[in-house]
Amino acid sequence: NAGVTQTPKFQVLKTGQSMTLQCAQDMNHNSMYWYRQDPGMGLRLIYYSASEGTTDKGEVPNGYNVSRLNKREFSLRLESAAPSQTSVYFCASSSGTGSLASGNTIYFGEGSWLTVV
Amino acid sequence: AQKITQTQPGMFVQEKEAVTLDCTYDTSDPSYGLFWYKQPSSGEMIFLIYQGSYDQQNATEGRYSLNFQKARKSANLVISASQLGDSAMYFCAMSKTGNQFYFGTGTSLTVIP
Repeated sequence: NAGVTQTPKFQVLKTGQSMTLQCAQDMNHNSMYWYRQDPGMGLRLIYYSASEGTTDKGEVPNGYNVSRLNKREFSLRLESAAPSQTSVYFCASSSGTGSLASGNTIYFGEGSWLTVV
Repeated sequence: AQKITQTQPGMFVQEKEAVTLDCTYDTSDPSYGLFWYKQPSSGEMIFLIYQGSYDQQNATEGRYSLNFQKARKSANLVISASQLGDSAMYFCAMSKTGNQFYFGTGTSLTVIP
C-alpha cells in the first residue's frame, strides 16, 4: 500500500548546504515528477522523468538537479541551498502509458517540508 | 504561460449546500485530461475526479462532479451536500502531451457549520 514514498519528511538546512530528497514508487510507473508548492503559487514542476533514463526541466529547475536512478527511484538534489528554496516538495508518479485522455492520473507522495535558514 | 487558472483564492459554503469551484484551462491539443485534487491541512494530495477531453458526459464521483464545457475551456468542480471534512485546498490540473501535468494555484474551501 506504499505508493509513492519520499524522504525526509522534514529538513532544516543552512544556506549553502546540500541535500538530496529521495523518492521511490512501487506502482511500476514510467513517469516521475518533482514539484514544489509555495503559498499562492500552487504546484510548480521542477523536473520530470517521462521514462527511465530520461529527465527534463520543468518550470522552475534552477538550483536543482535530478537523477532517475532506476524505474522506481527519482531523486532531487539541492547543491547549494538558498532561502528561496524553502518550500514543500512533492514527488509524484504516473503510469506514462496510454492516451492522455484515458485517466492517466498522477499519484503524490506525502511531501517534504524543507526550510533553508 | 498560465495553462490552468483558478480565480477563486477562497470560498465559503454552508454545510449541506452545494459549491462550485472554477477552473479554466488553455491548450490547443485535442487530447488532454482534466483532474481535481484535494489537499487537506495535513498536506497530502488526494485525487478526486478526472475528465477526458473526448468524454461526452460530465464525470461524477460520489458527491463530486465535473462540469466540463469544452468550448469555453472550463472544468468546474461541483461538490454537493458539503461536509465539514470538505474544508481544504482544491487544485485543478491538466495533463498534456509528454505526460506533463500542470496545476492551478488552488482554491481554499471552508465549510461553515
